[in-house]
Amino acid sequence: EPEVTQTPSHQVTQMGQEVILRCVPISNHLYFYWYRQILGQKVEFLVSFYNNEISEKSEIFDDQFSVERPDGSNFTLKIRSTKLEDSAMYFCASTLGGYSNQPQHFGDGTRLSIL
Amino acid sequence: AQTVTQSQPEMSVQEAETVTLSCTYDTSENNYYLFWYKQPPSRQMILVIRQEAYKQQNATENRFSVNFQKAAKSFSLKISDSQLGDTAMYFCAFMKHAIGGGSNYKLTFGKGTLLTVNP
Repeated sequence: EPEVTQTPSHQVTQMGQEVILRCVPISNHLYFYWYRQILGQKVEFLVSFYNNEISEKSEIFDDQFSVERPDGSNFTLKIRSTKLEDSAMYFCASTLGGYSNQPQHFGDGTRLSIL
Repeated sequence: AQTVTQSQPEMSVQEAETVTLSCTYDTSENNYYLFWYKQPPSRQMILVIRQEAYKQQNATENRFSVNFQKAAKSFSLKISDSQLGDTAMYFCAFMKHAIGGGSNYKLTFGKGTLLTVNP
């Protein structure tokens, strides 16, 4: 069964540095999402992306965050200047969307640790 | 805005027994989906079961079933014949129904219930 893949599985970065988290959604999916989960807390929505633009974003997704689908297969989340509070597990998800009623499929996540 | 509440941070059950995980939600939407996702120690979020709000019949998937009470905004998960592999964090999630159909919107999650199945 096709899977959403995320790399790296663990990223350690100094505070203030830029970080890019990568995701390869399922190939025929059209809607893409990033969620994050701070340790011990709930999974929170960050952003959704469709047709090469952001369709919805949360309050968390400020101007330090950006997303891109640079080559038609990868879907990246960039944090420009990381803060300690960005330490979390970041999940990518994708869905076929539309009238398909298909659920969102999640990747294994990237654990981001900011030092 | 939607909220999802899971009031049981942790639960445990003996292998082969039945356990029920609670979830309540708050929304002004009339059409929506509810989900239970499982996150084992391997971290991947796996869909366990899904319920469309307009369907009165409770969803079932093998040993997993839900008790959906729309008026009470309650969506509990029952796991029958619990197995060691069911040990995981379980998240209840809400998604509003897209106008004209589809399921493109964000998921709103509860805080999760850590279920441990004991041998």
